[in-house]
Amino acid sequence: GAVVSQHPSWVICKSGTSVKIECRSLDFQATTMFWYRQFPKQSLMLMATSNEGSKATYEQGVEKDKFLINHASLTLSTLTVTSAHPEDSSFYICSAQRPGQGYEQYFGPGTRLTVT
Amino acid sequence: GIQVEQSPPDLILQEGANSTLRCNFSDSVNNLQWFHQNPWGQLINLFYIPSGTKQNGRLSATTVATERYSLLYISSSQTTDSGVYFCAVVGDADGLTFGKGTHLIIQP
Repeated sequence: GAVVSQHPSWVICKSGTSVKIECRSLDFQATTMFWYRQFPKQSLMLMATSNEGSKATYEQGVEKDKFLINHASLTLSTLTVTSAHPEDSSFYICSAQRPGQGYEQYFGPGTRLTVT
Repeated sequence: GIQVEQSPPDLILQEGANSTLRCNFSDSVNNLQWFHQNPWGQLINLFYIPSGTKQNGRLSATTVATERYSLLYISSSQTTDSGVYFCAVVGDADGLTFGKGTHLIIQP
């Protein structure tokens, strides 16, 4: 159990366009999901915490108007990168926390975004 | 916020060798997880270990919460063990704070 999927696995878009990334918990309901970002050869950085039915909590330095997060159901959170620029190119990874299982997080396979 | 330091940053071993990876953290934690990131970027959960000792096959981990460190042991290394190993913790906030990782290379 505890499988998390992401879609798409990779995407290429042009500067100025928007891209939506989906994160789904497949075999459990997740009231809390997280979005992380990883640049090449670096560690993962938390971008935001997504709670079902409420506004996301963004980490310091993350633009909430640029990275729109929606957690509309207990199995789906979406991250939309608006007006993408080349510097937004990165590996985006989501995770989900299974209720009643402490604080353990389960990660999706990630989405590689390239902005040209 | 909480700080996480991993050592060593890089480690090259011969197949069959044993290794110990260390994770130090700066404050009390509610969660500590070890991950192996494969070449495609997927994070594989190795251990959820805020305290105590766990073993899974050739891997084991120990967290001494009172002294703020955790150790990951890999015995009889195989080439498939190569990759980046991350330690990550949850402090007061819910999200994970990651260390910079240990890049492990197992040579045949």
